[in-house]
Amino acid sequence: EAGVVQSPRYKIIEKKQPVAFWCNPISGHNTLYWYRQNLGQGPELLIRYENEEAVDDSQLPKDRFSAERLKGVDSTLKIQPAELGDSAVYLCASSNGGYTNTGELFFGEGSRLTVL
Amino acid sequence: QQQVKQSPQSLIVQKGGISIINCAYENTAFDYFPWYQQFPGKGPALLIAIRPDVSEKKEGRFTISFNKSAKQFSLHIMDSQPGDSATYFCAARGGIQGGKLIFGQGTELSVKP
Repeated sequence: EAGVVQSPRYKIIEKKQPVAFWCNPISGHNTLYWYRQNLGQGPELLIRYENEEAVDDSQLPKDRFSAERLKGVDSTLKIQPAELGDSAVYLCASSNGGYTNTGELFFGEGSRLTVL
Repeated sequence: QQQVKQSPQSLIVQKGGISIINCAYENTAFDYFPWYQQFPGKGPALLIAIRPDVSEKKEGRFTISFNKSAKQFSLHIMDSQPGDSATYFCAARGGIQGGKLIFGQGTELSVKP
């Protein structure tokens, strides 16, 4: 069974440019997460989806970040415009069972963003 | 109150030794405590997890010890091997924000041959 797939793996852009990351979760997983991991730190949740509904986006900087999960499957995370401080690894994860379930989170390999 | 504090930041252990990583939390509503292992260039992967109704859980060389009254839990890696060299994250889930998984800052473990 395929794991969580993310693309691109690496992205280098200049500040003020837009960037988008794509995630394909494990088939059948209804919960999808976007985490940001700064160098030497633990992942921090940006947004959590239950099917196509964003149920927790309290940590998403909404002035420049947006996300969508059309049809409750794939998801896209966008940054526009990017700032130097956005340089990080953006991790997508999925799980089965909803937010009240303590099910395992399966992470993708991440998209490493460098903003110059 | 939603934080999970992890120590040490880095750890060097000789092959065959015991690696111990500690975490502390404040929110008593947390009800699930996993440990994730992350290799360079990879996403974190679940290693072992525990609920607060038990004090210890063992899976192979990996053991979680849980102290509910002290609001602390730790990961013990017995007979540490060079292949265990990775970054380890404790995490906690539950509370007022339901399924949000909150991670510690991570411990970079290096096991020397």
